[in-house]
Amino acid sequence: ETGVTQSPTHLIKTRGQQVTLRCSSQSGHNTVSWYQQALGQGPQFIFQYYREEENGRGNFPPRFSGLQFPNYSSELNVNALELDDSALYLCASSFDREDQETQYFGPGTRLLVL
Amino acid sequence: AQKVTQAQTEISVVEKEDVTLDCVYETRDTTYYLFWYKQPPSGELVFLIRRNSFDEQNEISGRYSWNFQKSTSSFNFTITASQVVDSAVYFCALIGTSYDKVIFGPGTSLSVIP
Repeated sequence: ETGVTQSPTHLIKTRGQQVTLRCSSQSGHNTVSWYQQALGQGPQFIFQYYREEENGRGNFPPRFSGLQFPNYSSELNVNALELDDSALYLCASSFDREDQETQYFGPGTRLLVL
Repeated sequence: AQKVTQAQTEISVVEKEDVTLDCVYETRDTTYYLFWYKQPPSGELVFLIRRNSFDEQNEISGRYSWNFQKSTSSFNFTITASQVVDSAVYFCALIGTSYDKVIFGPGTSLSVIP
């Protein structure tokens, strides 16, 4: 296990609702990245947070937003949920001084939008 | 643009056979890192190996070996004497010098049949 935890493990929402997913990074890691993995596909980068600031963003609309807290844990918020938002959402943490290029992933949150 | 291609969508082998998973990448960065991750049915991405662009030495770890060839932009992964526990989806991935987003390939689903 990597030490990266995510909650909840599973979630069911309806179209138009809002959702918040949570991630606790591995001890000592100050960088958190979020990915969306649709069924049968590879993970797609959503954004990254480094020391509480957004450090890079993929091709996702503004209704996908995030936060990183002083303890380096993070949230992913998705507003106005759409059916296509159904996916596995993965959080990954990394450390800026050593091994910064390697991201360690949590178990993911499976979101189903009905 | 950065891209990772895994041409093999699904592979089935009988236990104890050797199997090679192919990975071809594209990047304009001169410094980059390549990874292999394993994703069992539980969903968590398990880090297997990291290789930087300046190190073309092949690596062996137990039954796993990796062949990095910069000339052909390939980073192939071989499992020797496959076991049922090797059944999973395997992702090849790339990160450039921005160290933010990891670019994943579409994955290869490996089934090892007893």
